[in-house]
Amino acid sequence: DVKVTQSSRYLVKRTGEKVFLECVQDMDHENMFWYRQDPGLGLRLIYFSYDVKMKEKGDIPEGYSVSREKKERFSLILESASTNQTSMYLCASSSLLAAHYEQYFGPGTRLTVT
Amino acid sequence: GQQLNQSPQSMFIQEGEDVSMNCTSSSIFNTWLWYKQDPGEGPVLLIALYKAGELTSNGRLTAQFGITRKDSFLNISASIPSDVGIYFCAGQRLRAGNNRKLIWGLGTSLAVNP
Repeated sequence: DVKVTQSSRYLVKRTGEKVFLECVQDMDHENMFWYRQDPGLGLRLIYFSYDVKMKEKGDIPEGYSVSREKKERFSLILESASTNQTSMYLCASSSLLAAHYEQYFGPGTRLTVT
Repeated sequence: GQQLNQSPQSMFIQEGEDVSMNCTSSSIFNTWLWYKQDPGEGPVLLIALYKAGELTSNGRLTAQFGITRKDSFLNISASIPSDVGIYFCAGQRLRAGNNRKLIWGLGTSLAVNP
């Protein structure tokens, strides 16, 4: 089974702090994704990566950056956390194999910025 | 970003009832995926569909890839309390410029009264 783990289930940070959210997958997947989920807004893509050191902006990249130094690890960085970044953050991974677009998710990190 | 039209937005049903939900798009898709998200957890893949007209079952769940390639349906038969959660559809567009991203519906929130 695909396993995607996220470093924290719950996180509370103060406005202006730098925040790191870590995601690790164990299936040698090429693609990794960061989403945020807010009530009524569904899953919105922040950034994704299709290879080590490669990244592409999603639909809402503002205020976020990412890092992928190793294939299995994808980090989301909030350079200066703000209260409007309070949300549920979900990491996912997928394979590049033909017709395999299925994404597998971690348990999520609920971030509160005070 | 583009979103799928998923309906209904929410459902409140009695245990034992059947449930139907659907997703539609103005674009042609070559993959439809259905996920379930339990409260406080990440989405879990339920069913993947790859061919127009395909009908696939997973226990009490049945999903279909619409003939027009612009819609998909998910049915749950004889609902039970553990069916509670949010159900998401997701799709991969045909001839998408970037085939790594999925397009998501906003979810159907299901509540089951025992």
